[in-house]
Formats: sequence, C-alpha cells, structure tokens
Amino acid sequence: NAGVTQTPKFRVLKTGQSMTLLCAQDMNHEYMYWYRQDPGMGLRLIHYSVGEGTTAKGEVPDGYNVSRLKKQNFLLGLESAAPSQTSVYFCASSYGVRGRNVEKLFFGSGTQLSVL
Amino acid sequence: GDSVTQMEGPVTLSEEAFLTINCTYTATGYPSLFWYVQYPGEGLQLLLKATKADDKGSNKGFEATYRKETTSFHLEKGSVQVSDSAVYFCALEYQAGTALIFGKGTTLSVSS
Repeated sequence: NAGVTQTPKFRVLKTGQSMTLLCAQDMNHEYMYWYRQDPGMGLRLIHYSVGEGTTAKGEVPDGYNVSRLKKQNFLLGLESAAPSQTSVYFCASSYGVRGRNVEKLFFGSGTQLSVL
Repeated sequence: GDSVTQMEGPVTLSEEAFLTINCTYTATGYPSLFWYVQYPGEGLQLLLKATKADDKGSNKGFEATYRKETTSFHLEKGSVQVSDSAVYFCALEYQAGTALIFGKGTTLSVSS
C-alpha cells in the first residue's frame, strides 16, 4: 500500500519557468490537499479538493493552480515560478465524505522545490 | 480569520523530562483540534485529536485537553524519550471542516 506518493521529490527551476507537481493516492480518499512548508512559517494550505472535479483556495493560493481530473490524482501547477515559491511542498489526502468533517490527513513525503 | 498559535521553539529537554508545548487557537465555533508530528525527512503524522470541549486526546504517552474557556490545546508528555525528537504541529479544522490549518510548528530535541 503506497499511500500518498509525490513526484518529483526534488526540482530546481529558473524564475519564470513552469512545472507541475503530481500527487497520487491509492486509498480511495475523497479529499486532497496541497501545503507548503517554509522555515518559521509552518505548514500553509495552498489549495484543496473535496472531490473529483472540484477545487478550492486555501490560505496562500496566489501563483498556483490545481486540477483534480481523477479522484486519485491532485496536480499542483506553477505557471511562472518565482523565488518566493522555493519551499517544500506536501500533498495530503483524507477519507472525507462531503458534508462531514475531515478526521485524519495522510501526508506524502514532500517535494523540495528551488526557484533560482 | 481562523488561526493557530504555537509556542516558539526549539524546545530542548533531557530524557525523562516533562514536556509542554503550548497551542492556542482563534476560530468561529468549536472546531476539532489536532496535534501532528513530523520526523526528519518525512511528512506529518496524526498524533492525537479532540473533537469537542473538555475532550482529552491521547496517544503514545502524549495528551492534550480541549479547553474552550482558554481556547487552548496544549500538548504534554510526562517523560520524553530521545525518539520523541521531532517537529510538533497544532492544527484545527478549516472551511467548515473540509481542511486543516496548522501552526508554525515547535521543534523538540531530546538528549540522553
């Protein structure tokens, strides 16, 4: 059981380049999330999804886009990377049911992104 | 808006010492509260949770009580071990319970 898998694990971009981070979960979870982790700032929610075909903004959504075309996958895109987006990105999923509260998040191992 | 405030770290303790990590929150209503732990190089894992006022969450010797009157959810452990060295995050429900938001994290370092 792989759980939550993130690819790639490391990436270096130049300012202005674009890229997509992929998150895949094999637990049939309804809810999925993207967080970024920065020193002194903790974990901040970027975007999330409560089901296939739906997405919503979190605490820090600017500069990112997401898509949830398949239930098991949640993609995070950076259209024009900036040095301020250098961070560790974590994907998470949860056995949420629409209309009920999230109970436990399962996290991937993270993607280290550097934007030069 | 909703937010979580944790005590600044790092916290450095000797093995078998008593641990307290403070967490307070600001939220509308009475959200569920959580403590997550992150070991080096890994993602976060749920440590414990409490879903209503006066609930006590516990796991692996850690405890936290949901205090509505002080809007707090402090993490405690009576005797820490070297293996408890990690970063601890307090979290609460967000957006009508469909997501979690986290505090900034508190680094705990335990020496033998």
